[in-house]
Amino acid sequence: DSGVTQTPKHLITATGQRVTLRCSPRSGDLSVYWYQQSLDQGLQFLIQYYNGEERAKGNILERFSAQQFPDLHSELNLSSLELGDSALYFCASSVEGFSNEKLFFGSGTQLSVL
Amino acid sequence: GDSVTQMEGPVTLSEEAFLTINCTYTATGYPSLFWYVQYPGEGLQLLLKATKADDKGSNKGFEATYRKETTSFHLEKGSVQVSDSAVYFCALSGGGGGGSNYKLTFGKGTLLTVNP
Repeated sequence: DSGVTQTPKHLITATGQRVTLRCSPRSGDLSVYWYQQSLDQGLQFLIQYYNGEERAKGNILERFSAQQFPDLHSELNLSSLELGDSALYFCASSVEGFSNEKLFFGSGTQLSVL
Repeated sequence: GDSVTQMEGPVTLSEEAFLTINCTYTATGYPSLFWYVQYPGEGLQLLLKATKADDKGSNKGFEATYRKETTSFHLEKGSVQVSDSAVYFCALSGGGGGGSNYKLTFGKGTLLTVNP
């Protein structure tokens, strides 16, 4: 158990809908990362937060947004969903968010857009 | 930008065979290098890391050496076990390419299956 909790584990929805994925980092970790894993693109970095502030942005679509709350949990919001958004979404956390740090990954949320 | 290229899978080996999974990278600065492992139905776990040239990371019998001259970080294990069956990801962080200091850039992953 990595200590990172993601909910829900599975999500099935329709095109055009909006969903929210939730992540609770390990106790004491200030930095949260979101990744998307798909068969064709592999693991793609979406966004990173550190202590409530956005720190780095990757290949995140404009239809997607995220935030980190004062209690350090994070939510990833996906809107106007398309079939191609079907993927496994991982959250990870680390203590300070430095480049040489170990990341702890949650088990992921499997999103299926039908 | 930063990128990681690792050997295409899948790789199938018999128990006690020698394992090599090749990984090369492109980065503008001096990145940290990692190998992560993903077991079925689970999230990724750090296997080993190296933060500067010529460092060797090792864990659970796996090893990888940070080779700056060849921009490589190949994963090796002398004798694989059935329990090593998983997907292995090479990754880098802190390459210095335009805001990449914090994020991990992953290779596409290599599926390893070890048969008894």
